Amino acid sequence: GAVVSQHPSWVICKSGTSVKIECRSLDFQATTMFWYRQFPKQSLMLMATSNEGSKATYEQGVEKDKFLINHASLTLSTLTVTSAHPEDSSFYICSAPRVLGNSGREQFFGPGTRLTVL
Amino acid sequence: GENVEQHPSTLSVQEGDSAVIKCTYSDSASNYFPWYKQELGKRPQLIIDIRSNVGEKKDQRIAVTLNKTAKHFSLHITETQPEDSAVYFCAASIPGGKSTFGDGTTLTVKP
Repeated sequence: GAVVSQHPSWVICKSGTSVKIECRSLDFQATTMFWYRQFPKQSLMLMATSNEGSKATYEQGVEKDKFLINHASLTLSTLTVTSAHPEDSSFYICSAPRVLGNSGREQFFGPGTRLTVL
Repeated sequence: GENVEQHPSTLSVQEGDSAVIKCTYSDSASNYFPWYKQELGKRPQLIIDIRSNVGEKKDQRIAVTLNKTAKHFSLHITETQPEDSAVYFCAASIPGGKSTFGDGTTLTVKP
């Protein structure tokens, strides 16, 4: 089936540094990708919609200048957490919808990236 | 925007019993309702889904029902097994693919 990869799978960084997370659709093209954040024992919260060739759409309360999204190609979206702080520590998961013939769309999730900011 | 409510937040059943998790949604434009199982530290895995033109779907021990008029859908797991223990999330998706998730249900199946 369709595969979405994320890199890195985990990262530890110092407060104030920037971290880039990549999301790739490996065997299909995704004009749209979604970035979610999941804090421990909580649900997935949509942060933003990444659109290939145009600006990302951010959910209310998500700082677009802090979470930079670039969807440079039909198979790659990147999320950069700028000037990371301990409160940004979370599990970041991307997903990409794929059209499945007459069955509509199905979301394929990446394996997630666990970010720990010291 | 869409609002998805999921109940219960925790559910404990004896092995072999059935488990039911319910979700309601608010946006009538939502037309795709997946259910995900998430084990600790792992990504959510799709276990079953239903589209708005269908009222019920079954896959072995798992079934989902949808009442579009009432805007609610439910997950039913029969003959539960210890390996069914996990956190289950429902979601409601609009045609563009954007998903809103419920808060999750922690299911514990006691052997």
